[in-house]
Amino acid sequence: EDQVTQSPEALRLQEGESSSLNCSYTVSGLRGLFWYRQDPGKGPEFLFTLYSAGEEKEKERLKATLTKKESFLHITAPKPEDSATYLCAVYAGNNRKLIWGLGTSLAVNP
Amino acid sequence: DAGVTQSPTHLIKTRGQQVTLRCSPKSGHDTVSWYQQALGQGPQFIFQYYEEEERQRGNFPDRFSGHQFPNYSSELNVNALLLGDSALYLCASSQRTGRSSYNEQFFGPGTRLTVL
Repeated sequence: EDQVTQSPEALRLQEGESSSLNCSYTVSGLRGLFWYRQDPGKGPEFLFTLYSAGEEKEKERLKATLTKKESFLHITAPKPEDSATYLCAVYAGNNRKLIWGLGTSLAVNP
Repeated sequence: DAGVTQSPTHLIKTRGQQVTLRCSPKSGHDTVSWYQQALGQGPQFIFQYYEEEERQRGNFPDRFSGHQFPNYSSELNVNALLLGDSALYLCASSQRTGRSSYNEQFFGPGTRLTVL
């Protein structure tokens, strides 16, 4: 069964304290893994797409990496404005489905 | 370039009523997907429209229906509303290329539906 699991469910960091969020998946025929950021009451904001193991993408303080079983979203020296829920979604090409994780709620304290 | 827009932003209905939500995709996008998101949950896929036809559907009852217009905008209709239909309804647009219907999706701000 296609499945996406994100961990931890919630994470609280001090400003400047780097950390990583995890998205592990078991899907048939990975065709893409997507990271989104969502602020309360708003639609998800697209961050990255990763297509194959070994691929990495960066944007400001965020870096996403992909292996054959999981993806990491590394946050370097976070700021309070990075506080949000980070969602991971995986496109299972064999079943033509986009499977979403439940997200990691990140809080960065000043 | 306007991104994805949705209307209305908030809506309050009573059980048994019907509701229509609207979405205009990002310029250049031809595919629209609708999602339901309950508080603290990830988005749940309702259906996807391309070339004015429903191409894929999630596990939602027939009370949920949709439409896509020639200008790629879309509507989501929900009949016989239940309390459990209260959620944030998200529209996402993308550009279909090749065989992939799930290139990067850009989301609208959502419509918050409350059913009393």
